Amino acid sequence: QKEVEQNSGPLSVPEGAIASLNCTYSDRGSQSFFWYRQYSGKSPELIMSIYSNGDKEDGRFTAQLNKASQYVSLLIRDSQPSDSATYLCAVEDDKIIFGKGTRLHILP
Amino acid sequence: GAVVSQHPSRVICKSGTSVKIECRSLDFQATTMFWYRQFPKKSLMLMATSNEGSKATYEQGVEKDKFLINHASLTLSTLTVTSAHPEDSSFYICSAGNRGFFEKLFFGSGTQLSVL
Repeated sequence: QKEVEQNSGPLSVPEGAIASLNCTYSDRGSQSFFWYRQYSGKSPELIMSIYSNGDKEDGRFTAQLNKASQYVSLLIRDSQPSDSATYLCAVEDDKIIFGKGTRLHILP
Repeated sequence: GAVVSQHPSRVICKSGTSVKIECRSLDFQATTMFWYRQFPKKSLMLMATSNEGSKATYEQGVEKDKFLINHASLTLSTLTVTSAHPEDSSFYICSAGNRGFFEKLFFGSGTQLSVL
């Protein structure tokens, strides 16, 4: 059974600080990785995708991938209260497998 | 971005009745649609993968006779919860995309099912 693991949190971060979210996956052959944000009662929305080892930056978000360690992370700089949500790590095989999500709470 | 329409957004039904949820890709054709279920404060759980024109592939533990999935066209997939019971109460979400290009995977707005 292919798995995607995340710490469920909650992760509390002061406003303006960097939030660091982590994810590990079990299938070494996975090639595509995604971070989604989900607000309570809403559907997930894609934040970042990453396919190659290293960092990928988009605005305040940076995704990091280490295939050797089977590890993917998301950094959120200058955290805002509106960033408070559940962040889902997802891995593509022939389908998208989601982790359980990490609840992030930005403290004003 | 592309739009996936899911309805109804909320449904309340009596135990034993069947409920149909529709998922439509409005401005693109989707070869693959996924159906997820999410209980409060829990993760998205993939129920089944639906490919246009073929039978859905169900995840382990999901009863295919209870959760009927039809993907008759490239723009429409339906999930029917048959003989619903209170334990089926959950948030059901569909997503649509094309195999091999799942970065372009779009989610419906979800259906909150409450079975009395």
